[in-house]
Amino acid sequence: GAGVSQSPSNKVTEKGKDVELRCDPISGHTALYWYRQSLGQGLEFLIYFQGNSAPDKSGLPSDRFSAERTGGSVSTLTIQRTQQEDSAVYLCASSLASGKQVDNSPLHFGNGTRLTVT
Amino acid sequence: AQKITQTQPGMFVQEKEAVTLDCTYDTSDPSYGLFWYKQPSSGEMIFLIYQGSYDQQNATEGRYSLNFQKARKSANLVISASQLGDSAMYFCAMRYPGSARQLTFGSGTQLTVLP
Repeated sequence: GAGVSQSPSNKVTEKGKDVELRCDPISGHTALYWYRQSLGQGLEFLIYFQGNSAPDKSGLPSDRFSAERTGGSVSTLTIQRTQQEDSAVYLCASSLASGKQVDNSPLHFGNGTRLTVT
Repeated sequence: AQKITQTQPGMFVQEKEAVTLDCTYDTSDPSYGLFWYKQPSSGEMIFLIYQGSYDQQNATEGRYSLNFQKARKSANLVISASQLGDSAMYFCAMRYPGSARQLTFGSGTQLTVLP
């Protein structure tokens, strides 16, 4: 079946502009995550959606970042007034919920959106 | 705070040999899960193997196995019979009950397999 789809694959924007990044998760996956990966670095958690519950926004670095998930499926990450330090690869992932105390469901990642702020 | 540490920024291994990638973690929760991912130069994140804190056996998936030492809080990835295609960045990650199901990732180890 289809994996996690992200668009665009590359985005170049000027400092101060707003950008929207899209994620289409695997069908049937109730959990959706956004991560950021700067060049040569690990993955930084941004936000997590689970079903109809309120999202966990604890990883968003500033109020310029926001995300929504419509209809429990597609998600959009919006960065307002972009800064050069926002340049990174933005990765979206989805997973099932196993119902176990510690969920053993792996995250399935998309190929990411490479954002460059000039 | 929960933390994942990968102390080897880079590793080299000869083709067909085994290699161990280190991962230590810090948590006070008795229940947690450990994941390993592979990220080739193409950038995709590929799930490799999972180990639960209560699992009695070390996890194995093909050429991948976990050397899980709970008392030492380590979950090292062992790749047997290395292949050129194993050259990639490898990330260790942890999920614990208080994390709202997100994974916390280590900084990664860049593995290069030499012909």
